[in-house]
Amino acid sequence: QQQVKQSPQSLIVQKGGISIINCAYENTAFDYFPWYQQFPGKGPALLIAIRPDVSEKKEGRFTISFNKSAKQFSLHIMDSQPGDSATYFCAASLYNTDKLIFGTGTRLQVFP
Amino acid sequence: GAVVSQHPSRVICKSGTSVKIECRSLDFQATTMFWYRQFPKQSLMLMATSNEGSKATYEQGVEKDKFLINHASLTLSTLTVTSAHPEDSSFYICSAPDFSSYEQYFGPGTRLTVT
Repeated sequence: QQQVKQSPQSLIVQKGGISIINCAYENTAFDYFPWYQQFPGKGPALLIAIRPDVSEKKEGRFTISFNKSAKQFSLHIMDSQPGDSATYFCAASLYNTDKLIFGTGTRLQVFP
Repeated sequence: GAVVSQHPSRVICKSGTSVKIECRSLDFQATTMFWYRQFPKQSLMLMATSNEGSKATYEQGVEKDKFLINHASLTLSTLTVTSAHPEDSSFYICSAPDFSSYEQYFGPGTRLTVT
């Protein structure tokens, strides 16, 4: 119940295309859903986050779509660029704990 | 966003020695910090929660006597790997929630290699 399932494991996208990464969870007590971007040898960097009272949040080229009834959320990267090539992690945390449960990660490669 | 720093960025030590890793929140106070371990091409595994002014809480399977955590102030937490062995070689990352924004920020990580 504490798991966050992430797919796909890897993704190859052409420059300018849309990258879509999906996550699913079971525990309805999760109330905070961030996405992190990680480059090799670096710590994860917060990209965008959403709470369950909102179905979509957009920041620049990054959009989170959240489906509370299906217990799923996804990251969309519009106009994908080679500089977006990195590993992306979704995560979830329980109400009032700040403890993050991470998905397994998606390695994104954007080719010119 | 808020900034979390870690020191050192990489360290090589001999088997049997101890290594200390520092995690600092640079522009906000953090009563709680988290320590993670990450193996190559894998996800982050939460090791423990560092609490300012009280004992750390460890995740199941993490040896508290091996991974000593001290949250000395509202901006500093340290992780000491005691009697390190080659299997402790890993990428260690800390994080801290900024309660003014409710977002959680990660440090740049520390690469530990035990020879």
